[in-house]
Amino acid sequence: DAKTTQPTSMDCAEGRAANLPCNHSTISGNEYVYWYRQIHSQGPQYIIHGLKNNETNEMASLIITEDRKSSTLILPHATLRDTAVYYCIVRANNAGNMLTFGGGTRLMVKP
Amino acid sequence: NAGVTQTPKFRVLKTGQSMTLLCAQDMNHEYMYWYRQDPGMGLRLIHYSVGEGTTAKGEVPDGYNVSRLKKQNFLLGLESAAPSQTSVYFCASSGTHGEPQHFGDGTRLSIL
Repeated sequence: DAKTTQPTSMDCAEGRAANLPCNHSTISGNEYVYWYRQIHSQGPQYIIHGLKNNETNEMASLIITEDRKSSTLILPHATLRDTAVYYCIVRANNAGNMLTFGGGTRLMVKP
Repeated sequence: NAGVTQTPKFRVLKTGQSMTLLCAQDMNHEYMYWYRQDPGMGLRLIHYSVGEGTTAKGEVPDGYNVSRLKKQNFLLGLESAAPSQTSVYFCASSGTHGEPQHFGDGTRLSIL
């Protein structure tokens, strides 16, 4: 699976959009981009995933560049409860659906 | 709707003791996983299973054994616990075909 690079930490003001970048320049054509988050040492929570088209659900939007070498997770109106570590993971949907977690981005939402 | 349930939530062991961590899922998922997470780090895959009766090694399998005798349960065993195995252990499950993984709340294990 391709390696991802994320900033170590970011701050965001409550009520503003949080834009979390992820670089995956070595991504292959059959690899998806997944985003999970982990709130205060709880189990990771799935947020969203995509292949090449932009995706949106009730939690967030995922914007993938046309060359697929980077993506951005957007939390449209961040709240204090969105403070967490956000993991960007690139993975092919092969047998096992395994995930490889990096260090992630620690997002701090401030009042 | 329980999802993924891990038992126990906390445990303290002495070096050399053995124990089994239990993971149960009620979503009829084919795949199940065991991860460990050390302070300040991401999760690392220990073992996983793609179906009842099957298991496979992940990134950090040494010192652990697993069994998947029933589809809904995935057991993680430590035969002779070592201080280096002090960690938070997470279980997860998923369906096939790229479905996302669902995680339990973790087991905090300390080995003295």
